[in-house]
Amino acid sequence: SQQGEEDPQALSIQEGENATMNCSYKTSINNLQWYRQNSGRGLVHLILIRSNEREKHSGRLRVTLDTSKKSSSLLITASRAADTASYFCATRVDSSYKLIFGSGTRLLVRP
Amino acid sequence: DAMVIQNPRYQVTQFGKPVTLSCSQTLNHNVMYWYQQKSSQAPKLLFHYYDKDFNNEADTPDNFQSRRPNTSFCFLDIRSPGLGDAAMYLCATRVGGGLNTEAFFGQGTRLTVV
Repeated sequence: SQQGEEDPQALSIQEGENATMNCSYKTSINNLQWYRQNSGRGLVHLILIRSNEREKHSGRLRVTLDTSKKSSSLLITASRAADTASYFCATRVDSSYKLIFGSGTRLLVRP
Repeated sequence: DAMVIQNPRYQVTQFGKPVTLSCSQTLNHNVMYWYQQKSSQAPKLLFHYYDKDFNNEADTPDNFQSRRPNTSFCFLDIRSPGLGDAAMYLCATRVGGGLNTEAFFGQGTRLTVV
């Protein structure tokens, strides 16, 4: 089962521009995580935001969380061609160890 | 150094012929996951373990089984692969006992069914 949806499904931007992708989820969460996946590879963890946090930064990444709207956004500033990848949000469901992924956003950064 | 290792990276199997995918970890994590990912889709959770405690997703087909003989190793068995089982299979681990921990993924095994 899928926890939520991400939008846009695909995003194409020019190098140097900012990229914003959004994630919505359905159930109460302890935290929300963002992962990156290069084509044909495994996923790599980017950032985790706890349910009591509203914003978090890591390098060129900024994540926001709005638990009242059950939504999160990932902003990549000053994008690079190497940022081209798929980005997924993931949430841990209730008190279980299930980690459920959103539908993902495919980001293309044009040089 | 690779911490979650999946073997093989590419696996070709015949329709209906049992196949086993393997995953090993050097992180000593309690939690291990198997995901199925089809092209341009999100990873779909098949099973997860907390130590030896096995949790099957309700919509995981009976054709899929898993074994975890010890902390380090986990296997995914597909008893009778169909064409629809062709996908990337991802193994991941996570520290148990904490709410706010990240998952570590292997590079995946791409399964082709011929």
